[in-house]
Amino acid sequence: DGGITQSPKYLFRKEGQNVTLSCEQNLNHDAMYWYRQDPGQGLRLIYYSQIVNDFQKGDIAEGYSVSREKKESFPLTVTSAQKNPTAFYLCASSIGGGTGTEAFFGQGTRLTVV
Amino acid sequence: AQSVTQLDSQVPVFEEAPVELRCNYSSSVSVYLFWYVQYPNQGLQLLLKYLSGSTLVKGINGFEAEFNKSQTSFHLRKPSVHISDTAEYFCAVTHSWGKLQFGAGTQVVVTP
Repeated sequence: DGGITQSPKYLFRKEGQNVTLSCEQNLNHDAMYWYRQDPGQGLRLIYYSQIVNDFQKGDIAEGYSVSREKKESFPLTVTSAQKNPTAFYLCASSIGGGTGTEAFFGQGTRLTVV
Repeated sequence: AQSVTQLDSQVPVFEEAPVELRCNYSSSVSVYLFWYVQYPNQGLQLLLKYLSGSTLVKGINGFEAEFNKSQTSFHLRKPSVHISDTAEYFCAVTHSWGKLQFGAGTQVVVTP
């Protein structure tokens, strides 16, 4: 069954800790994305990757880091530099390579700082 | 630069009544438009998309949207809603490679 898997579904972090959110896709998509969702603000782009070993900052990249060592994987690390990390994080992928391609989303990870 | 404005943050509607969710965009070039639905604590699911051709687009679950270039709008409609349509709806636009710009979302609450 093709799709995008995010794990864990819920994550708790102590202040000052780094945490890594997992995102795996078996759709053979070239492009992958990380979005952050806060109530009333829609989805904001953190990082995106068009191809393996390449990624670009989105609109709110500060305090986050990513890697793209494999086509199917695009993990997101929330570092201690992120001042307000509590949010719902969504990973997505698309075929890429041109405009008009729809994005497919994972089920999300809810991160809470305790 | 492109941006998306969803004009209503919340839309209450009675079951079996029609609903319209408004979306306006701004862009200096041609755009591609999408509507997504999100159920609580889940990811987003594509309802429909406009790429080119007919300005009336039909999607899943009985939804449709009309692209109006002169008014830069892409409003979503359903003639008769069901309780299960209670969810948050997002309008999105892209014109560059794969980068979706989302609106703030519209929460639809369907009551019996």
